[in-house]
Amino acid sequence: EVQLLESGGGLVQPGGSLRLSCAASGFTFSAYAMGWVRQAPGKGLEWVSAITGTGSATDHADSVKGRFTISRDSSQNTVYLQMNNLRADDTAVYYCAKRSAESYGHFDSWGQGTLVTVSS
Amino acid sequence: EIVMTQSPATLSVSPGEKATLSCRASQGVTSNLAWYQQKTGQAPRLLISSASTRATGIPARFSGSGYGTEFTLTISSLQSEDFALYYCQQYNNWPLTFGGGTKVEIK
Repeated sequence: EVQLLESGGGLVQPGGSLRLSCAASGFTFSAYAMGWVRQAPGKGLEWVSAITGTGSATDHADSVKGRFTISRDSSQNTVYLQMNNLRADDTAVYYCAKRSAESYGHFDSWGQGTLVTVSS
Repeated sequence: EIVMTQSPATLSVSPGEKATLSCRASQGVTSNLAWYQQKTGQAPRLLISSASTRATGIPARFSGSGYGTEFTLTISSLQSEDFALYYCQQYNNWPLTFGGGTKVEIK
């Protein structure tokens, strides 16, 4: 059974940083791309970042480009999202999700999410 | 960026009735279209991928159709557990984009 467990969320001041982690189990970690999707309070889903199974390629939404960085550690079966220069509009639940193939595809499994609140 | 437009925003349906949800892409996405269900306070769950392939464990009352720019999710006979938010998502082009969602509520 695929399990994705996010951690690292919390309250941070504008301009601050956080690193989210997503511990994965139940599948061959390096064989699948991973991503982060966020949901602001009362709003819809917004894709944030993605990384291929090997970690050789990443992509980020324009809204976070230059501030967020996705990475993965195959020795720990963990995906990370380093978030810098946080803004109030980054406040959201951040979901880690597994993609259906090594470098593309839909999201076939989701974690329960971790809440990030950016406020002074 | 491909814009995904879902309609209606809210659909009021009685239990046992059929629900038809629409999703339109601003440009063609071939069959690279997924549908997700989200209940209050929960993570999204994959229902349909490749426009029409049900995910593991998804009941047969859920079906998807369409290609290119027009897609439909049909729930043939609504059960109490089906009242939720539904999102479509294209994964044909970067950036990946979601529709704004359709809320299926009890009539």
